[in-house]
Amino acid sequence: GQNIDQPTEMTATEGAIVQINCTYQTSGFNGLFWYQQHAGEAPTFLSYNVLDGLEEKGRFSSFLSRSKGYSYLLLKELQMKDSASYLCAVMEGSSNTGKLIFGQGTTLQVKP
Amino acid sequence: DAMVIQNPRYQVTQFGKPVTLSCSQTLNHNVMYWYQQKSSQAPKLLFHYYDKDFNNEADTPDNFQSRRPNTSFCFLDIRSPGLGDAAMYLCATSRSYRLAQQETQYFGPGTRLLVL
Repeated sequence: GQNIDQPTEMTATEGAIVQINCTYQTSGFNGLFWYQQHAGEAPTFLSYNVLDGLEEKGRFSSFLSRSKGYSYLLLKELQMKDSASYLCAVMEGSSNTGKLIFGQGTTLQVKP
Repeated sequence: DAMVIQNPRYQVTQFGKPVTLSCSQTLNHNVMYWYQQKSSQAPKLLFHYYDKDFNNEADTPDNFQSRRPNTSFCFLDIRSPGLGDAAMYLCATSRSYRLAQQETQYFGPGTRLLVL
């Protein structure tokens, strides 16, 4: 079956670093995406990994290990505006239709 | 400038009364997707179009239909909404099926549907 797991909720302090984990079991693998979704708004693209290793984009970094079916999103220098839900999504290997399988999302609350 | 537009942002309908949600895009993308997202749950793909080719997910209820009259517009029709259909409906687009760093799915702001 297909399964993507993320913690439901996390809390962190402004200025700190937080790591949001994602594990997946899917029919093949063609890439992993992280999206940010503020309450009542659309998901917005944060990062994409298809090869093992770390991708860094400013305060956000994303890591992938395909052999372990594991990814994490690292947020540095947390700001209050980073309070949002973070969705992990995998593009299946068996799919040639661009279909993404989403996790339920991790709600991050940043406190002063 | 908004690239994927959904109207209305909030829609209230009555149990069993047909409702249509709309999505338009200015990206000239080939693919348009409709997702259903219930509170604290993952977005769930209902169906998508590649140009005019319609692709239905196997577990999408028959109650949900879609139309894509041209590249820019796509509609979600719910023929007889039930209480369980109350959710956020997200429209997304992509240039092609080959998603990658620069070719991700772009989401609209969503329409929140309430069924009374």
